[in-house]
Amino acid sequence: KQEVTQIPAALSVPEGENLVLNCSFTDSAIYNLQWFRQDPGKGLTSLLLIQSSQREQTSGRLNASLDKSSGRSTLYIAASQPGDSATYLCAVTTDSWGKLQFGAGTQVVVTP
Amino acid sequence: GAGVSQSPSNKVTEKGKDVELRCDPISGHTALYWYRQSLGQGLEFLIYFQGNSAPDKSGLPSDRFSAERTGGSVSTLTIQRTQQEDSAVYLCASSSFGYEQYFGPGTRLTVT
Repeated sequence: KQEVTQIPAALSVPEGENLVLNCSFTDSAIYNLQWFRQDPGKGLTSLLLIQSSQREQTSGRLNASLDKSSGRSTLYIAASQPGDSATYLCAVTTDSWGKLQFGAGTQVVVTP
Repeated sequence: GAGVSQSPSNKVTEKGKDVELRCDPISGHTALYWYRQSLGQGLEFLIYFQGNSAPDKSGLPSDRFSAERTGGSVSTLTIQRTQQEDSAVYLCASSSFGYEQYFGPGTRLTVT
């Protein structure tokens, strides 16, 4: 049974520092991995999607890597800003239907 | 283009009543998913629709839960005889061919 873990559960950094968020999964037979951001009381915003054949994806200050064999993904956010404060969730797809299995999330606070 | 929309945004109901939650996916997206986010369980998959195929109902927690998708577009999630443990945020997502999923803002359900 696939299990998705995110460590740490919470993280606080001063503005300008780089953020490193970790996601691990127990079954390497995934179709893709997706990173989301969730603001309090809001839905999920898709940040990056990495296909199983890819090693990384980049969008602006965000970079996500994927190592399927070790069951790990890392989300890097460069030069953090207070507006980056949110909960970040990773999710994997383990079948062709695309249903997502989520980690519990990392709550990030960026202090000015 | 509009994103995924959900209604109502908030619903308070008495234990034992039936509720209907609505999702309007992004136009042209063939796949539609329902997820539930609760404090104790995190984000969990409920049901998935893909085109005209039979839905994947494997995540529905009990037979009080059902969902339909009319005309390959709008979906309604129905919870009969609501219980307090049904209180959660119900999230809908849509995607094209099972790839990147885009989420709506959710419906917060409170059962009193």
